[in-house]
Amino acid sequence: DTAVSQTPKYLVTQMGNDKSIKCEQNLGHDTMYWYKQDSKKFLKIMFSYNNKELIINETVPNRFSPKSPDKAHLNLHINSLELGDSAVYFCASSQALRHPSYGYTFGSGTRLTVV
Amino acid sequence: GQNIDQPTEMTATEGAIVQINCTYQTSGFNGLFWYQQHAGEAPTFLSYNVLDGLEEKGRFSSFLSRSKGYSYLLLKELQMKDSASYLCACYYMEYGNKLVFGAGTILRVKS
Repeated sequence: DTAVSQTPKYLVTQMGNDKSIKCEQNLGHDTMYWYKQDSKKFLKIMFSYNNKELIINETVPNRFSPKSPDKAHLNLHINSLELGDSAVYFCASSQALRHPSYGYTFGSGTRLTVV
Repeated sequence: GQNIDQPTEMTATEGAIVQINCTYQTSGFNGLFWYQQHAGEAPTFLSYNVLDGLEEKGRFSSFLSRSKGYSYLLLKELQMKDSASYLCACYYMEYGNKLVFGAGTILRVKS
């Protein structure tokens, strides 16, 4: 049983296209996140949702739009893809916003390559 | 920002002990995590410290000093499979309750 699953695992697309990455967790967690890991392996938070409510929205271009239809799903839609968007995108979830002691559980990542 | 600093790379020998240090901004700090990430894989949870002191879990131990803004991860009896990136991450409640990662330390274990 996969705890946090993301699809697709690999995504190669041309500049200017619009693409979506889906994430689902079956852990019963209340909070979900999107992180971006660039070529230097630096993991940076993009968004977090707690029970479908947007909590964190870092300085991310408007081309990135998260959507949480329910607390088990957090999808990421990217418009007008640019070369600089190439990275690995990780979805994660945690048990509760104010009790992080169990850590975040990460999905296996989506490697996005924009050509 | 929440500056989290750790060495970029370290090399150690199989069977040895290695200590990976991490310093962080203390304002708003509410806990520190260590994650392990093998190349091409997701980060996996290793440890969590919120109070001062040492937490031991098998071959891995993590230490925290809140007053000094300092932590370390200690790996004993190194094995080749321990070659990975080790990420120090801090939980900040005054910045929207978020987990902020350092750039990671690439550990290479040689035989």
